[in-house]
Amino acid sequence: DARVTQTPRDKVTEMGQEVTMRCQPILGHNTVFWYRQTMMQGLELLAYFRNRAPLDDSGMPKDRFSAEMPDATLATLKIQPSEPRDSAVYFCASGLRGGKSSYNEQFFGPGTRLTVL
Amino acid sequence: RKEVEQDPGPFNVPEGATVAFNCTYSNSASQSFFWYRQDCRKEPKLLMSVYSSGNEDGRFTAQLNRASQYISLLIRDSKLSDSATYLCVVNDPGGYQKVTFGIGTKLQVIP
Repeated sequence: DARVTQTPRDKVTEMGQEVTMRCQPILGHNTVFWYRQTMMQGLELLAYFRNRAPLDDSGMPKDRFSAEMPDATLATLKIQPSEPRDSAVYFCASGLRGGKSSYNEQFFGPGTRLTVL
Repeated sequence: RKEVEQDPGPFNVPEGATVAFNCTYSNSASQSFFWYRQDCRKEPKLLMSVYSSGNEDGRFTAQLNRASQYISLLIRDSKLSDSATYLCVVNDPGGYQKVTFGIGTKLQVIP
């Protein structure tokens, strides 16, 4: 049963510290998304990649956030320095255009719950 | 105006009731529409796609009204297990596989 994995599942850190979140997309999926979810804003797209190339990172605060795909099996999202307003659940999702699943269906990982004190 | 708007609820309904959610979208060029379900402290999962002709999956019916730019989800004979947040999702015509999620509508089915 293929699924997206994310680590860590929970992270508590202090303001100013670097945070790195990792995601392993479903093998064979060519699109990877990073979202942030808060009660007030809901799910917001931060960045996404197709075939490891960044397509859009306009939703991401550029001064402190960065997203990369060093290889097809790993996507990373870094926050440096972290701030209390970054506290949220960060989801990674992957998809495959033209695959057996619905066009545009995204498969989500379990999320990383980040708390910045 | 938000790209995708939903009433966040909560909708509290008794078991067996029929409940309907609506969602409006702002970009008339959008072509793909979905409902996702998210359980408490879990990840969103695709519930169903929404086709122009409407579609039904068991107790769930989704419909699209392009003229008024809204989609709907109808749940018949509500079960306790239907309690969740239902997210309306609309594709961004300008972005490859990019979609926008609504804030979600919370449903609580009461015994």
